[in-house]
Amino acid sequence: NAGVTQTPKFQVLKTGQSMTLQCAQDMNHEYMSWYRQDPGMGLRLIHYSVGAGITDQGEVPNGYNVSRSTTEDFPLRLLSAAPSQTSVYFCASRGAGSGELFFGEGSRLTVL
Amino acid sequence: AQKVTQAQTEISVVEKEDVTLDCVYETRDTTYYLFWYKQPPSGELVFLIRRNSFDEQNEISGRYSWNFQKSTSSFNFTITASQVVDSAVYFCALRILPMEYGNKLVFGAGTILRVKS
Repeated sequence: NAGVTQTPKFQVLKTGQSMTLQCAQDMNHEYMSWYRQDPGMGLRLIHYSVGAGITDQGEVPNGYNVSRSTTEDFPLRLLSAAPSQTSVYFCASRGAGSGELFFGEGSRLTVL
Repeated sequence: AQKVTQAQTEISVVEKEDVTLDCVYETRDTTYYLFWYKQPPSGELVFLIRRNSFDEQNEISGRYSWNFQKSTSSFNFTITASQVVDSAVYFCALRILPMEYGNKLVFGAGTILRVKS
């Protein structure tokens, strides 16, 4: 089973460039989310979605956009990358109820 | 506000030692879930345990055990007879259920565990 798949795994950008981190899950989970991981800060929620067509902001949404056109996909867009967005990004999904989050393998982004 | 504190930034032990990772949480809600995740050097996040706020029974799984105490808002994790493969970053996390908070998972900063042979 693929679970949660993120692409790319590594990316280097220049300041001001745009890019999209892709996330797909094959578990028919309604809930999907994006976190960023920075040293000493744990994981912080960027955006989340409780179903197709529904998204909302997390703790650190500035500089990121999301959309949820299908249940399976939840892309994260950086419209104008900044060095402060250098981080490791994790996509996660969860089924209904109290289940744990299933995480993708992470995407390491460096903005120069 | 919800908050998770892992006061131990880094712990180093010698193989076969027991080690306890501390987790203290803050929430005003009575219904919530607590989690532990492991992040090995390869970078993925591995789910270890989930505990709901109404179940204070401690749990043991092999060399792992968890002590949940609502009176002190703590959910500590003990590894018995540590092994080199236990070396990882361990995250404690809290999820409350009211929808206005988006059911988000609030993570602690993580504890780096280094087990030396």
